[in-house]
Amino acid sequence: DIQMTQSPSSLYASVGDRVTITCRASQTVTSYLNWYQQKPGKAPKLLIYAASSFQTGVPSRFSGSGSGTDFTLTISSLQPEDFATYYCQQSYSSPHTFGQGTKLEIK
Amino acid sequence: QLQLQESGPGLVKPSETLSLTCSVSGGSISSNLYYWGWIRQSSGKGLEWIGTIYYSGSTSYNPSLKSRVTISIDTSKNQFSLKLNSVTAADTAVYYCARRIGSYARQIDYWGQGTLVTVSS
Repeated sequence: DIQMTQSPSSLYASVGDRVTITCRASQTVTSYLNWYQQKPGKAPKLLIYAASSFQTGVPSRFSGSGSGTDFTLTISSLQPEDFATYYCQQSYSSPHTFGQGTKLEIK
Repeated sequence: QLQLQESGPGLVKPSETLSLTCSVSGGSISSNLYYWGWIRQSSGKGLEWIGTIYYSGSTSYNPSLKSRVTISIDTSKNQFSLKLNSVTAADTAVYYCARRIGSYARQIDYWGQGTLVTVSS
């Protein structure tokens, strides 16, 4: 299985901050990398697919980049509704594994 | 708007079989554009992909669960189902059904709300 490692595991930030979350794959996943946002008690929500493509309706302050083994999710200016847990997922090879999550909390 | 809804027992005894059904509304499960799958989330293992099924009945399972998992599809009812046998406490989790895009990025674009299944005697 491809292992997905996110850093940091938790992150404290303020409204208006720019934050970056990193995801590293144990082997190449080319651009088959997706990002999800999850709020407590809710299902994950797709934000970014294919490393850098926006899911319909996702605010433009979210962006994704990377290829191969190293990827980033950036939120350019944090809004109150962005405080949540973020997961990366590789869809290059089965099983489509997830990172352990990055919990974004209010400073 | 596509909606997925999980249903099934919230409590299963150890060594028995966990059975869940996902009912899909607002779209056809018979589309050749999508796969339908199950993901679970526990505090111990995070998000874990269980497996997927295509409208034709073709399946793909996580090797770590393959010996215990069966996913089936009923196109006449627009439903698909999960069976996990010989459960233990380690199978306690929130189980999500989901739709996965069949090509390009293969991303999960729709999720059910999730259902908590507890394995306990």
